[in-house]
Amino acid sequence: QQQVKQSPQSLIVQKGGISIINCAYENTAFDYFPWYQQFPGKGPALLIAIRPDVSEKKEGRFTISFNKSAKQFSLHIMDSQPGDSATYFCAASDGFGNEKLTFGTGTRLTIIP
Amino acid sequence: DTEVTQTPKHLVMGMTNKKSLKCEQHMGHRAMYWYKQKAKKPPELMFVYSYEKLSINESVPSRFSPECPNSSLLNLHLHALQPEDSALYLCASSQRDRGTDTQYFGPGTRLTVL
Repeated sequence: QQQVKQSPQSLIVQKGGISIINCAYENTAFDYFPWYQQFPGKGPALLIAIRPDVSEKKEGRFTISFNKSAKQFSLHIMDSQPGDSATYFCAASDGFGNEKLTFGTGTRLTIIP
Repeated sequence: DTEVTQTPKHLVMGMTNKKSLKCEQHMGHRAMYWYKQKAKKPPELMFVYSYEKLSINESVPSRFSPECPNSSLLNLHLHALQPEDSALYLCASSQRDRGTDTQYFGPGTRLTVL
């Protein structure tokens, strides 16, 4: 019940296209959903995060869509660029006071010219 | 500024060595974390310090010993490690007292155990 399932495992998108990564969870107590971007040999960097009181959050080319009833959330990268090539992790936690983040398994994104 | 710094960047040690990893943040965060990350896997939580006290130990072997000397510093003492402990060790911090769970990660220490 603590798992966060992430798909696809790897994704190849052409430059300028839309990259979509999906995550699903079971624990209805989760109420904070961040996405992290990680380049090889570097630490994960927070990209964007959402709470379940909104269905969508947009920051620049990055959008999180959240479906509370389906217990799913997704990351959309518009106008994907080669510099977006990285591993993306979704994560979830069950509220302020709980320090544990449950990570998805990761998606390796490659943007080709 | 959301910077977490870690030293060293790389560390090679033998199974009989004793070494330490260091982490520092100056964001006023009151929770600090150690994670272990193997290649192509998500970070695995090892320890959490909240207000300088150990609040979570994820059943980590005793050859890993965390220490939080003050609210800005976090150490991970290593002793008698095994080759399978080779990994990227990540430190993170979060604010804790303003209703946000955002964890900010450092660049990591790449550890190789020979």
